[in-house]
Amino acid sequence: QSALTQPASVSGSPGQSITISCTGTSSDVGGYNYVSWYQQHPGKAPKLMIYDVSNRPSGVSTRFSGSKSDNTASLTISGLQAEDEADYYCSSYTRRSTLEVFGGGTKVSVL
Amino acid sequence: EVQLVESGGGLIQPGGSLRLSCAASGFTVSSNYMTWVRQAPGKGLEWVSIIYSGGGTYYADSVKGRFTISRDYSKNTLYLQMNSLRAEDTAVYYCARGLPSYYGSAHPVDDWGQGTLVTVSS
Repeated sequence: QSALTQPASVSGSPGQSITISCTGTSSDVGGYNYVSWYQQHPGKAPKLMIYDVSNRPSGVSTRFSGSKSDNTASLTISGLQAEDEADYYCSSYTRRSTLEVFGGGTKVSVL
Repeated sequence: EVQLVESGGGLIQPGGSLRLSCAASGFTVSSNYMTWVRQAPGKGLEWVSIIYSGGGTYYADSVKGRFTISRDYSKNTLYLQMNSLRAEDTAVYYCARGLPSYYGSAHPVDDWGQGTLVTVSS
């Protein structure tokens, strides 16, 4: 069982916006602004999409945005495209360990 | 261009040892923190180990005392020595580079290798 809780799947139609949640506790998500999001296409390595809750690394589309409220972080994908179909993982700093903790992952489907 | 290439995976019996390598190019492995992340077949991601530019290392509880992370400056290569392997260590192992110029307390990683599969089975 993962330390962070994500929905197993989220779907949307092209052009729509979807939001993926990542729920933790005050010891991780709620206690720090250190949540990252990774995208992983089948058979490929993960790719960093968001770090420190809402920062985008260079080269990541502005259609991806992150936010946090209390113990829940969120990744929003706007203007959904077919290429966005992938698994998404959140990761958070935790005071229980030096290493971060991942969520269980969310499969995004574009209808 | 930054590139990470893992090698060393394979089929190993329970209790055996393997050493994974991650050859880096386009940057120096000692210039930032480096991590190993694994993914069991059909499962999610799991942080395994980290080594900081200063040499400090940390491990997940699940591998502590069995795995050792290290690096070779002359070969610009990151390693993961895995001993006393168990069936639950079966996974694709990725090496990943810390986000350049990141100075926060977390460890976001921005460049990943293609992964190497380790299968622990008799």
